[in-house]
Amino acid sequence: AQSVSQHNHHVILSEAASLELGCNYSYGGTVNLFWYVQYPGQHLQLLLKYFSGDPLVKGIKGFEAEFIKSKFSFNLRKPSVQWSDTAEYFCASFEGSQGNLIFGKGTKLSVKP
Amino acid sequence: NAGVTQTPKFQVLKTGQSMTLQCAQDMNHEYMSWYRQDPGMGLRLIHYSVGAGITDQGEVPNGYNVSRSTTEDFPLRLLSAAPSQTSVYFCASSHLPQGVNEQFFGPGTRLTVL
Repeated sequence: AQSVSQHNHHVILSEAASLELGCNYSYGGTVNLFWYVQYPGQHLQLLLKYFSGDPLVKGIKGFEAEFIKSKFSFNLRKPSVQWSDTAEYFCASFEGSQGNLIFGKGTKLSVKP
Repeated sequence: NAGVTQTPKFQVLKTGQSMTLQCAQDMNHEYMSWYRQDPGMGLRLIHYSVGAGITDQGEVPNGYNVSRSTTEDFPLRLLSAAPSQTSVYFCASSHLPQGVNEQFFGPGTRLTVL
């Protein structure tokens, strides 16, 4: 069955530190990948998505992710985090264009001012 | 546009009670879904629908029913609430095909079952 793994449960960083959150997916065929963010007390919002083409995807708020097919990975990065990036981040995948969105268990990011 | 709306925002039930969580969207989305979010578990799909009159089960459907009589509404029914159903419930919607369109999420319903 399709699955998404996020290896870090809780990441704590100081402001201006660089961020990389790991995400691995299991499906070997055509896969669409997403990163969502959930700020405290709010609903999920789309950060970025990858369907095809350039494996380096840029999203909102300075986030980017790199799709590495050989590693089944789609890691999220940000060069310099801010206190306002404190949130929970979810990686998710679709198999092809059908099926349903499968989420990883999420990574909580705490940024210390 | 209001986007995806959910009511109520908070609910406390006693074991065995039934209730309906409401979800509505005004974006004419064909695809709608319900997720539950539990600490350390991420979001897990309960039920989904690809159009009015069409519903199907997701990963964790037991104890929940859904119906889709209109494009706009996708209510989730708890038949006999159990403490294991204490969770935050999110509704989402998108155009078809759902895998290539952004899912829009509602604000969630926090449910506690005593």
